[in-house]
Amino acid sequence: SAVISQKPSRDICQRGTSLTIQCQVDSQVTMMFWYRQQPGQSLTLIATANQGSEATYESGFVIDKFPISRPNLTFSTLTVSNMSPEDSSIYLCSVAGGGMGTEAFFGQGTRLTVV
Amino acid sequence: AQSVTQLDSQVPVFEEAPVELRCNYSSSVSVYLFWYVQYPNQGLQLLLKYLSGSTLVKGINGFEAEFNKSQTSFHLRKPSVHISDTAEYFCAVTRISGNTPLVFGKGTRLSVIA
Repeated sequence: SAVISQKPSRDICQRGTSLTIQCQVDSQVTMMFWYRQQPGQSLTLIATANQGSEATYESGFVIDKFPISRPNLTFSTLTVSNMSPEDSSIYLCSVAGGGMGTEAFFGQGTRLTVV
Repeated sequence: AQSVTQLDSQVPVFEEAPVELRCNYSSSVSVYLFWYVQYPNQGLQLLLKYLSGSTLVKGINGFEAEFNKSQTSFHLRKPSVHISDTAEYFCAVTRISGNTPLVFGKGTRLSVIA
């Protein structure tokens, strides 16, 4: 299993500012995933962060808005840039199980409110 | 690509009654299937998973799910629900190749009524 520490757990930010979310895993993992959960909605994959290479973004998400860093095998950050109220969501980081078929593990999430 | 359809966005049910939350998936490759639960203001918790073998999978908190390959379904059931089961339930799939992200359904809000 993997234990994921994510911070901050919540924040209230002014529009136009940026917030960086940190995700720390207690073991080395190849890939980390960032999801967004908008109010009352399901989880949508933002991007896959592979250590040593550029993150791969899903359709509808761009690097300028959601830059991601992956400096080592246990840590990643997601920045939400130039925020607007539409960015108010829960942001979660996740890692896949170490072996095939093991479940994904999730951080507790960052509840972001943009005012 | 994979997709997941949860057929009911909300399911109200009386306490001690049985419940079924429906999930259908679509994929051109073999997948693993999962059910996660999210209690209010909490993170995601794995309920159960189907990898292979017996199509009836038992999970935590008395939940079980049945994998039906011909109908591409993975419905979640519990014979008797409790107030504490009130939560959002997500069905998810991932390719069996490993190290791939989960694809989630839109979720089903289970509300247990006293």
